[in-house]
Amino acid sequence: NAGVTQTPKFRILKIGQSMTLQCAQDMNHNYMYWYRQDPGMGLKLIYYSVGAGITDKGEVPNGYNVSRSTTEDFPLRLELAAPSQTSVYFCASSYSAGRKGYTFGSGTRLTVV
Amino acid sequence: AQKITQTQPGMFVQEKEAVTLDCTYDTSDPSYGLFWYKQPSSGEMIFLIYQGSYDQQNATEGRYSLNFQKARKSANLVISASQLGDSAMYFCAMILTGANSKLTFGKGITLSVRP
Repeated sequence: NAGVTQTPKFRILKIGQSMTLQCAQDMNHNYMYWYRQDPGMGLKLIYYSVGAGITDKGEVPNGYNVSRSTTEDFPLRLELAAPSQTSVYFCASSYSAGRKGYTFGSGTRLTVV
Repeated sequence: AQKITQTQPGMFVQEKEAVTLDCTYDTSDPSYGLFWYKQPSSGEMIFLIYQGSYDQQNATEGRYSLNFQKARKSANLVISASQLGDSAMYFCAMILTGANSKLTFGKGITLSVRP
């Protein structure tokens, strides 16, 4: 199984550009999440989804949008990129809010210049 | 609401010794789960151990054990017989096990294992 796949792994954006971070999982997980991790810090939740067609804001949603049209995919859209969005982005999924925790992707390192 | 606090500065431990990484949490919900994740320099998030709020015994997974003190709201990670490969960032996290629950992370602790 591939688990959680994130693309791209690295990206440099110019201020004002937009892009979509892709996340796909092949474990039939209901729950999917997007986190950002700033240098030396913990992960902060951007958006999450409890199933296809259902999304909700996390702790730091401003500047981002998501959609969940299928169980497998949960893309994160950045519109009008800003330097404050320079971060490492992690996608994660889980079957339920249980004891096995989340399966994380390998992350996308984004730099906005 | 839920909150995780990790306040230790960078930790150092001698190879083969044990080390404790501190974590305190705050929630008024009686049903929750506590996790520890490891993040090596390569960046991936690795699940280490889980403790449920109703679990009767402290969780153990190989060299990892969780010292769960519910009344003190602490969930410290104990790593026994440290290895050089244990050098990493360690995150404590909590989830409320109701609907729409989300994993909330602490700021993390850096552990360095000395040979």
